[in-house]
Amino acid sequence: DTEVTQTPKHLVMGMTNKKSLKCEQHMGHRAMYWYKQKAKKPPELMFVYSYEKLSINESVPSRFSPECPNSSLLNLHLHALQPEDSALYLCASSQDATPGLVNEQYFGPGTRLTVT
Amino acid sequence: KNQVEQSPQSLIILEGKNCTLQCNYTVSPFSNLRWYKQDTGRGPVSLTIMTFSENTKSNGRYTATLDADTKQSSLHITASQLSDSASYICVVGNFGNEKLTFGTGTRLTIIP
Repeated sequence: DTEVTQTPKHLVMGMTNKKSLKCEQHMGHRAMYWYKQKAKKPPELMFVYSYEKLSINESVPSRFSPECPNSSLLNLHLHALQPEDSALYLCASSQDATPGLVNEQYFGPGTRLTVT
Repeated sequence: KNQVEQSPQSLIILEGKNCTLQCNYTVSPFSNLRWYKQDTGRGPVSLTIMTFSENTKSNGRYTATLDADTKQSSLHITASQLSDSASYICVVGNFGNEKLTFGTGTRLTIIP
């Protein structure tokens, strides 16, 4: 199984709502990533978890809160978002995130988020 | 600053024809170069990964080349199919950290 799944596929939320995005993989990977992608732009790295610990936070606003409950699951909790946060949110995983190694990242299909 | 530039921005070709996409990078220290295919609204799918010691790698009708001296890569697509219509993204990995630098992609459209 080389699949990364993400739920929901689409999400519409108001600026006062609290919602969560979920990501799951069963490849035994120990590194998981959140990316944000605006239309016609490349993905931008938000967070990296390595062995269930947050290893990279790319200065993401606190209204985005990641969580890694176990090695297979990655959540992104959303609160008080702004309309400019509307984007495709991609989750990815790799065998690990050891610097210096070539770690192929497998991407999920993404969650299309619209903030109204 | 690490950068990846791709050309052309967009390309339209007839089904069955070949095409070549270009990628120039200034990422240092270099670790690896990847080509991804991304359908609209979907996650990227890996086509090839090359390290500095590899200068060509194939995946079916896709062949990537790497010249680490000139910091250039190309992706050649042979006998294009309608399903090849997508964005193709060149991504370069840094040696020493987990971060990838993404190019802005080439939007390829195959017409019948």
